[in-house]
Amino acid sequence: RKEVEQDPGPFNVPEGATVAFNCTYSNSASQSFFWYRQDCRKEPKLLMSVYSSGNEDGRFTAQLNRASQYISLLIRDSKLSDSATYLCAVNSGQAGTALIFGKGTTLSVSS
Amino acid sequence: DADVTQTPRNRITKTGKRIMLECSQTKGHDRMYWYRQDPGLGLRLIYYSFDVKDINKGEISDGYSVSRQAQAKFSLSLESAIPNQTALYFCATAPDDTEQYFGPGTRLTVT
Repeated sequence: RKEVEQDPGPFNVPEGATVAFNCTYSNSASQSFFWYRQDCRKEPKLLMSVYSSGNEDGRFTAQLNRASQYISLLIRDSKLSDSATYLCAVNSGQAGTALIFGKGTTLSVSS
Repeated sequence: DADVTQTPRNRITKTGKRIMLECSQTKGHDRMYWYRQDPGLGLRLIYYSFDVKDINKGEISDGYSVSRQAQAKFSLSLESAIPNQTALYFCATAPDDTEQYFGPGTRLTVT
């Protein structure tokens, strides 16, 4: 099993739709979880951290399921500007290492 | 001004040439990273450094070397560039084992 896996998509949704992405991770010792957004040929930008109790930022909700070892990102009321690739990132659980990134899920929102 | 800068932003070079990519940051972070990104392969870690005297190999360090000249500067060198090193290269910084912040990227083409 790969360390961090995401469905590459693409997810094609109309404006206003609700869409959810999952990201599975293999290391049960992982403690930190993040969602990044990457626009075409640009740098990944931190979208939100994922907390154990779940967290929300406007139209975006992130959840963590430790038992099944996955994190999720829910986007409500999708906008055209939400079209991008969404990367999940997980720390390895060992101090002094880098984040492990998934390959990303591509979202395309159309009018 | 951007917190993490990379130079050059674009570079075309020939096989066998030596090339250096530079990264500077004003975030005051101790940790710095170099990644390459290829279509379908996601972000792959090349090298990382937790302070000036600490250098660690990542997933794909062969063919690359790095230098941490100061807390704020981390350079990546390709001693003898080859075409399969054509990729988008990102530098990133982090304060600890949590979120990482990326520079704008360097698009490198080796002909």
